[in-house]
Amino acid sequence: GQQVMQIPQYQHVQEGEDFTTYCNSSTTLSNIQWYKQRPGGHPVFLIQLVKSGEVKKQKRLTFQFGEAKKNSSLHITATQTTDVGTYFCAGPGVDSSYKLIFGSGTRLLVRP
Amino acid sequence: GAVVSQHPSRVICKSGTSVKIECRSLDFQATTMFWYRQFPKQSLMLMATSNEGSKATYEQGVEKDKFLINHASLTLSTLTVTSAHPEDSSFYICSASRQKYTEAFFGQGTRLTVV
Repeated sequence: GQQVMQIPQYQHVQEGEDFTTYCNSSTTLSNIQWYKQRPGGHPVFLIQLVKSGEVKKQKRLTFQFGEAKKNSSLHITATQTTDVGTYFCAGPGVDSSYKLIFGSGTRLLVRP
Repeated sequence: GAVVSQHPSRVICKSGTSVKIECRSLDFQATTMFWYRQFPKQSLMLMATSNEGSKATYEQGVEKDKFLINHASLTLSTLTVTSAHPEDSSFYICSASRQKYTEAFFGQGTRLTVV
């Protein structure tokens, strides 16, 4: 079945260090979305990428969509304690339904 | 403010009882809503797709008789955990999108504890 995997599962960084999470899909995706879930909270949409090779930036966050549209990455420059949370990528189900298939997530902890 | 509202946020129930969780889209009509289950420090596992006016579509391995879904209006979907057992204890969360393939808005989630 369709799978979306992320690595690493967990990362603990010192404040100010960079952080990257990688997302890999078993199938080609029409688009990919990224969400952040703070501890105890619900996922919040960050961004959507649609085009092959697309790169988007949001302040310290840089999102990339692979050329083959099967992988993506999120890079955070100079992490801050407010970046703590779990980052999920998600892609649409291959059956063309509305549903989103979520990646396994990368949990980020930042030491102050 | 919240676009999707979920209620209750926490519930504790006794084994064998049923619990109903509501998910409302507040400022748009949602013909489709989704229900997820999340175990501690794990990803969101899609349980089912709630379809307004028709039967829900359940993911493989999810017991439809255990997790009853009703989507009676364009703004409300409910998930009822029937005859709850301790192993049903989890974080349940719903989502909806304004349009297909666009941003998903999540409810606040419901933490269910079955004792």
